[in-house]
This record gives sequence, C-alpha cells and structure tokens, in this order.
Amino acid sequence: DTEVTQTPKHLVMGMTNKKSLKCEQHMGHRAMYWYKQKAKKPPELMFVYSYEKLSINESVPSRFSPECPNSSLLNLHLHALQPEDSALYLCASSGSPGGARNEQYFGPGTRLTVT
Amino acid sequence: AQRVTQPEKLLSVFKGAPVELKCNYSYSGSPELFWYVQYSRQRLQLLLRHISRESIKGFTADLNKGETSFHLKKPFAQEEDSAMYYCAASEKLVFGKGTKLTVNP
Repeated sequence: DTEVTQTPKHLVMGMTNKKSLKCEQHMGHRAMYWYKQKAKKPPELMFVYSYEKLSINESVPSRFSPECPNSSLLNLHLHALQPEDSALYLCASSGSPGGARNEQYFGPGTRLTVT
Repeated sequence: AQRVTQPEKLLSVFKGAPVELKCNYSYSGSPELFWYVQYSRQRLQLLLRHISRESIKGFTADLNKGETSFHLKKPFAQEEDSAMYYCAASEKLVFGKGTKLTVNP
C-alpha cells in the first residue's frame, strides 16, 4: 500500500461543532504531517509528528488539536472553528522522522467548510 | 528567513516548446529541494528531488548553489504537463507560491 488516505473527503461543520479528520498510511513511515491549503495558495505546514510524538507545531490555534494514536494514524480534532478555517486539509507522511528531509507522500485532502 | 520564491504565477507555452519554471531559495546551510506537481483534481505528488538527479516525465532540475536556484526544465512540453507546480525546500517543507503551467495545443 503506497497511498495516504484521508477521511472524510468533504466536511461541512458549524462553528460550535466538534469533528475530526482522519489520515492513514501503511508505508511504515515514521513522520506524519498536517497542512492547510487555501484556494490558489501553497500548502502551509501545521503540525509534524515524528515517531508518534508532536515535534513541530507551527503556532496553530488551539481549536485545532492533532493526535497520533499509532504510527499509521493521524487525526486532527476540530472544535469551535471559524469560517476562515475553511480550506483543504492535507495529510502527508515521509520515511524519516525529525523533519522534512525526505520526500513526502500526500493524501487527497479533506475539503472543510465552516458555516 | 527561509524562503522559496517562484516568480511566475502563470506560465503558458505551446505544445512542443521548451519550458522552464523558475525557483529561487533563501536558506542557511544546504537545503534539500523538491518539485511537487498537482494535476487537476489529483493529489499533490513529488516530481523531482535534487539529490536524486533524475529525469521524471522528461523534466529535470539542477541545483545551482551560486545562484541559489532550482529551476525545472523540459525541452518539449506536452498538454498533459498542464498543472500547478510547487518548488519546496526542507528542513520543514516550505513551499513556493506555485506556478500554474498551461500547455496549449
């Protein structure tokens, strides 16, 4: 399995809702990432997990809460989001921990709309 | 600050013409550099990395440390090359703003 999968594909949520985005990879990669991509903009790094531990948090608001239950799974818990948080959320994984020195494999993304 | 610059937002060429997508970086040390491509309705995928010095889909990219550039080139563009191209650099994967390439028939 050489793919990163993400669920759901689309998500619409209100500002008071709590929802979670899920990401899975079975390539044995030890680093996993969350990115946010607004329309016609490049992806922006949010979080990096290395060996299931949070290693980078790019000053992301606390309404986004990442979780790495095991080496294959990465979640992003969402609570009290704002309309400006609407974006495509991308998950990626790579072979080596501790940074982005190796090539990353991206999932298809979850298109999030906050109403 | 670490920065990746892609000066062209849009690039349009005719099929069979050469194409060059520019990328300049501003980094301390020796960053690892990548080109990623995003075709319409497809996921972001790696096209090239500078350390492998390979050619993928006819594209090549050479790291020029003197000019701090990593331009992407292809001698004969094809219509299926139309996509969004992002230059990116480590340590944390910092992306340039992207260049939308359109290859016209």
